[in-house]
Amino acid sequence: DAGVTQSPTHLIKTRGQHVTLRCSPISGHKSVSWYQQVLGQGPQFIFQYYEKEERGRGNFPDRFSARQFPNYSSELNVNALLLGDSALYLCASSLERKAFFGQGTRLTVV
Amino acid sequence: LAKTTQPISMDSYEGQEVNITCSHNNIATNDYITWYQQFPSQGPRFIIQGYKTKVTNEVASLFIPADRKSSTLSLPRVSLSDTAVYYCLVGDYMDSSYKLIFGSGTRLLVRP
Repeated sequence: DAGVTQSPTHLIKTRGQHVTLRCSPISGHKSVSWYQQVLGQGPQFIFQYYEKEERGRGNFPDRFSARQFPNYSSELNVNALLLGDSALYLCASSLERKAFFGQGTRLTVV
Repeated sequence: LAKTTQPISMDSYEGQEVNITCSHNNIATNDYITWYQQFPSQGPRFIIQGYKTKVTNEVASLFIPADRKSSTLSLPRVSLSDTAVYYCLVGDYMDSSYKLIFGSGTRLLVRP
């Protein structure tokens, strides 16, 4: 069975640009969450979507947005990138209280 | 703010049993306790989850006392590949409202 897949794996962007990160959950999982992990810290919750509806939002600015598609895949969008947005972005799908994470997208903003 | 407290780091040697204790004094009735393992530049990996008493799988055991205010992750006979960060989380993880609050975790270093 395929796990959670994220694309791209690495990305370099310039300050002020926009980025879209993609996530495909495990088949049968309807819940998708996004996390940001900066070096040396634990992952920080950004969004959760369930059945295509936003069910939770972390303490992130409005530059961050997301959506979930009918096939339960998801996109995370970040506008007006700042240097501080450089991080590992993780997607997780969950079922029955267990979350399974993808390998993440390493975003570097220069 | 994370609802758990765990040691920042631990050292061990190959072949030893490692026990990592996590405090969660304010655990709610519906909360479950879950442990994740994370290697550098990878996503966290689910290890084990429990509600009370003892849970065991092929990787680890989780011991939860009756008051549920703490829990202990036990890794039998660790190897070098168990060097990682281990996170303890508590929450009522319903699919419709799933939010993980990570702390700083415990950095386990396994030495030869």
